[in-house]
Amino acid sequence: DTAVSQTPKYLVTQMGNDKSIKCEQNLGHDTMYWYKQDSKKFLKIMFSYNNKELIINETVPNRFSPKSPDKAHLNLHINSLELGDSAVYFCASSGRDRNTEAFFGQGTRLTVV
Amino acid sequence: KNQVEQSPQSLIILEGKNCTLQCNYTVSPFSNLRWYKQDTGRGPVSLTIMTFSENTKSNGRYTATLDADTKQSSLHITASQLSDSASYICVVTPSGGSYIPTFGRGTSLIVHP
Repeated sequence: DTAVSQTPKYLVTQMGNDKSIKCEQNLGHDTMYWYKQDSKKFLKIMFSYNNKELIINETVPNRFSPKSPDKAHLNLHINSLELGDSAVYFCASSGRDRNTEAFFGQGTRLTVV
Repeated sequence: KNQVEQSPQSLIILEGKNCTLQCNYTVSPFSNLRWYKQDTGRGPVSLTIMTFSENTKSNGRYTATLDADTKQSSLHITASQLSDSASYICVVTPSGGSYIPTFGRGTSLIVHP
């Protein structure tokens, strides 16, 4: 039973399109995150949601918007996709205490052509 | 600017040998320092979490140490196995402010039989 699951695993799309990546966690965690891992494997946090409130918003383009319908889900919407958006996007979740373990999903490899 | 530097960038060892990975950081004050293992094509998995007051944490064959005075951490892997081949990422979360974690670029470890 997967703790943090993302869909789709692979996403190939054309420039200018709008796409969404879904994330669900069944751990009962309060906080969920989105990370971007570039081609050089460098991870960087994009967003964090705690009880439906955005508490971290790294300097990402406003074409990216996280949406959390409930505590178990944090979806990532991307508008007007650009070539530079190609990367692996990871969803993660953790408990309220920032010193607790974070659990990551398997990642979504986004390729913009 | 908060930075996390990891060394070496890559490491090749023989199965059964021990190795030590290094992490130097400038984040101060910090809330916690984490080590993650990321297998190719998978999401990161937490190995250890240390708060600023801890100086060692073990997880099976993995032992992390922390010297808050010199702002250095190390991850020691004992009796390496082929399955240890992965990228090891050091992450430091500051205390206060927006708590945005800073990621190192990782050390790529290859264990040969």
